[in-house]
Amino acid sequence: AQKVTQAQTEISVVEKEDVTLDCVYETRDTTYYLFWYKQPPSGELVFLIRRNSFDEQNEISGRYSWNFQKSTSSFNFTITASQVVDSAVYFCALSDSTGANSKLTFGKGITLSVRP
Amino acid sequence: NAGVTQTPKFQVLKTGQSMTLQCAQDMNHNSMYWYRQDPGMGLRLIYYSASEGTTDKGEVPNGYNVSRLNKREFSLRLESAAPSQTSVYFCASSQGRFNYGYTFGSGTRLTVV
Repeated sequence: AQKVTQAQTEISVVEKEDVTLDCVYETRDTTYYLFWYKQPPSGELVFLIRRNSFDEQNEISGRYSWNFQKSTSSFNFTITASQVVDSAVYFCALSDSTGANSKLTFGKGITLSVRP
Repeated sequence: NAGVTQTPKFQVLKTGQSMTLQCAQDMNHNSMYWYRQDPGMGLRLIYYSASEGTTDKGEVPNGYNVSRLNKREFSLRLESAAPSQTSVYFCASSQGRFNYGYTFGSGTRLTVV
């Protein structure tokens, strides 16, 4: 069975601080996909990144960066120089295999508050 | 705009009432999903449909039924609503293979009193 653990439940930082959101996953599949979604106060789910299990390169997109380490089954998300607009709930998710029955398993989410 | 459309956006039901949540996608995706989101629980899969004509239970299917009406539409039915079904419901769709991504609807906030 798949499992995603986001041990941090709430994080509060002051604007311009860097913050890392942790994600640890469990799966028996050798091929899988990892995702991060952002849920701002308005409630919609915003896709941030998708990473497959064969690609361990770190990714950077503006102030966002992701560190994928298969050795520790982690897929951590760092926001550099945080801004108030980054305040949201962030979900890490795991999708198994490449088959038609693939589905997303979510972590419980991390509520990030960025104070001015 | 292309995407996933859910209706209604808000609903209040009395215990024991029934209702159907509608979901439609216009991206020609094969797979569709229903999730519920509760505080501190993340999103949990209720039912999914890997392709037109098939449906399967997810993590929390009790109290729900689904219908994959055609490739575009996937509805979720509550036959006899209970307060425990108060939640935010999200519909999603995906190509179903290679996990290129999941597109989510904007959600339905359901309150059962």
